[in-house]
Amino acid sequence: DAGITQSPRHKVTETGTPVTLRCHQTENHRYMYWYRQDPGHGLRLIHYSYGVKDTDKGEVSDGYSVSRSKTEDFLLTLESATSSQTSVYFCAISDGTSGRGTDTDTQYFGPGTRLTVL
Amino acid sequence: SQQGEEDPQALSIQEGENATMNCSYKTSINNLQWYRQNSGRGLVHLILIRSNEREKHSGRLRVTLDTSKKSSSLLITASRAADTASYFCATCPGSARQLTFGSGTQLTVLP
Repeated sequence: DAGITQSPRHKVTETGTPVTLRCHQTENHRYMYWYRQDPGHGLRLIHYSYGVKDTDKGEVSDGYSVSRSKTEDFLLTLESATSSQTSVYFCAISDGTSGRGTDTDTQYFGPGTRLTVL
Repeated sequence: SQQGEEDPQALSIQEGENATMNCSYKTSINNLQWYRQNSGRGLVHLILIRSNEREKHSGRLRVTLDTSKKSSSLLITASRAADTASYFCATCPGSARQLTFGSGTQLTVLP
């Protein structure tokens, strides 16, 4: 999976508890993304990062926050988990540089984290 | 909102047959990509086609892009049981390094 790991891989938690998911890459890619995948919705972007301490919101950012203090790590936090946040969460990375003549917009995905909020 | 919409939602074919999946999108794009997802796994990039390209090949994959109709198609020739997966199109608009995914086509290849 292109040097991307996600932890934990599975988590069950209760409504109202904080949850942090971690994405770790060894590719030194600039861009990192968090998506959620739900039946019938495909993948929806939660937040993304375009550099250390540089992040921005995606389509479904409400209830989520992120942090990126190092190039290799991108954390997704659910401050107070709700049942609607039960989903499979994927991290992705992208080189995103220009001028190399390669497909730099290609994203590489981690294996996913299955989160259940009871 | 989803930029890309795949059609059909599900497709079942026999091994050896060709599989065609379509994707329609709404706004202008820089490129369009296709990804595959096996059950319980992350997405894997298959092919990228730029807005100034009309057709691209990679092994048994053929992708077309019609920017005037805002549509793309993915053809998998001589399908195999191992091609069973969900296939997603994703659009990359302008200079933004973001992708917007469709809801996918579930392909089942019967042996």
